[in-house]
Amino acid sequence: NAGVTQTPKFRVLKTGQSMTLLCAQDMNHEYMYWYRQDPGMGLRLIHYSVGEGTTAKGEVPDGYNVSRLKKQNFLLGLESAAPSQTSVYFCASSRRTGTNQPQHFGDGTRLSIL
Amino acid sequence: GQQVMQIPQYQHVQEGEDFTTYCNSSTTLSNIQWYKQRPGGHPVFLIQLVKSGEVKKQKRLTFQFGEAKKNSSLHITATQTTDVGTYFCAGDGGSQGNLIFGKGTKLSVKP
Repeated sequence: NAGVTQTPKFRVLKTGQSMTLLCAQDMNHEYMYWYRQDPGMGLRLIHYSVGEGTTAKGEVPDGYNVSRLKKQNFLLGLESAAPSQTSVYFCASSRRTGTNQPQHFGDGTRLSIL
Repeated sequence: GQQVMQIPQYQHVQEGEDFTTYCNSSTTLSNIQWYKQRPGGHPVFLIQLVKSGEVKKQKRLTFQFGEAKKNSSLHITATQTTDVGTYFCAGDGGSQGNLIFGKGTKLSVKP
């Protein structure tokens, strides 16, 4: 049982390049989330989705876009990468609203912007 | 906006010593969750507390939810090297209904 799978695991980009991070879950969860984790900052919510075809902004959405075309997939896009977006990105999913259900995290994507 | 504050930021202990991390919210929470992240790993759900004054135990770990549902604590008795990692609390995030994570307490255990 794979759970939450993130690809790629590592990536180095140059400033201004674009890329998409993919998150896939096989638990039939309704809710999916993208977080970034920076040293000393904990986990900050970028965007989230409460179901297929829906997305919403989190705490730090600027510079990112997301799409949830299929229930099992949640994509995070960086249109024009900036050094400030160097971080570890975690995807998570949960069965219903995240306030009442545990969130299951992927292994993370370590992204460096030069 | 709502904040979830966690202290201490770092804790270094000798193996066998006890460890406690504290979590405080600026608003009343409906529930609180605790996660553990091993070095280089991802957060893993440990437990959820819902009731005022609730206390739950998992082997050497004791979790408490305050009477006012604005604070919580995690206590580890007789730490082991396997306890190394960062412990996060997370409370419900108000109008968005999402989790607000504390910044975590990083625990190191010296054998």
